[in-house]
Amino acid sequence: KAGVTQTPRYLIKTRGQQVTLSCSPISGHRSVSWYQQTPGQGLQFLFEYFSETQRNKGNFPGRFSGRQFSNSRSEMNVSTLELGDSALYLCASRTGMGPETQYFGPGTRLLVL
Amino acid sequence: KNEVEQSPQNLTAQEGEFITINCSYSVGISALHWLQQHPGGGIVSLFMLSSGKKKHGRLIATINIQEKHSSLHITASHPRDSAVYICAVRASGTYKYIFGTGTRLKVLA
Repeated sequence: KAGVTQTPRYLIKTRGQQVTLSCSPISGHRSVSWYQQTPGQGLQFLFEYFSETQRNKGNFPGRFSGRQFSNSRSEMNVSTLELGDSALYLCASRTGMGPETQYFGPGTRLLVL
Repeated sequence: KNEVEQSPQNLTAQEGEFITINCSYSVGISALHWLQQHPGGGIVSLFMLSSGKKKHGRLIATINIQEKHSSLHITASHPRDSAVYICAVRASGTYKYIFGTGTRLKVLA
């Protein structure tokens, strides 16, 4: 089975721009979660999608949004980028049925200049 | 105070040593995960625990639900074990994961 894939792997943007990141889960997985990792804050939960519905959301401003498509692929969008949005963005997938292991993608490293 | 605390933050060991990393949490949980992150960012899930003890090769993870504490042990450590180890809990009643700040392990040959 192919693992979780994320595109792009690296991205450079400037302040004020917006960005869209993509995550393709493992086949058969219906849950996709997004995380932000920074040196200062560590790993933080952004949101989780299950069967095209946002199931939970972390404590991030409304500039961070996401969606999930019928094939379980998910996108995350950040509008009006700020310098502090520079981070590694990780997604993880699982079947979504109860507590279970998550499988992480390689991440997208975003640099905001 | 963080809801998930790990100790130590940094650890340097000699090859072959027995290593213990601790995780304490203050919230009700449905599961606890131990993750490994190598330089470059990739994260691998090592264990998921809701009770007791699990073993995989040289790695052992234990959890005490009453004391809200988990430990990750590495026996006969090896330089390839050098990584950041992260404890994450799945809070009860929600789907949210809360992460510890990680333990940076370096094993010297």
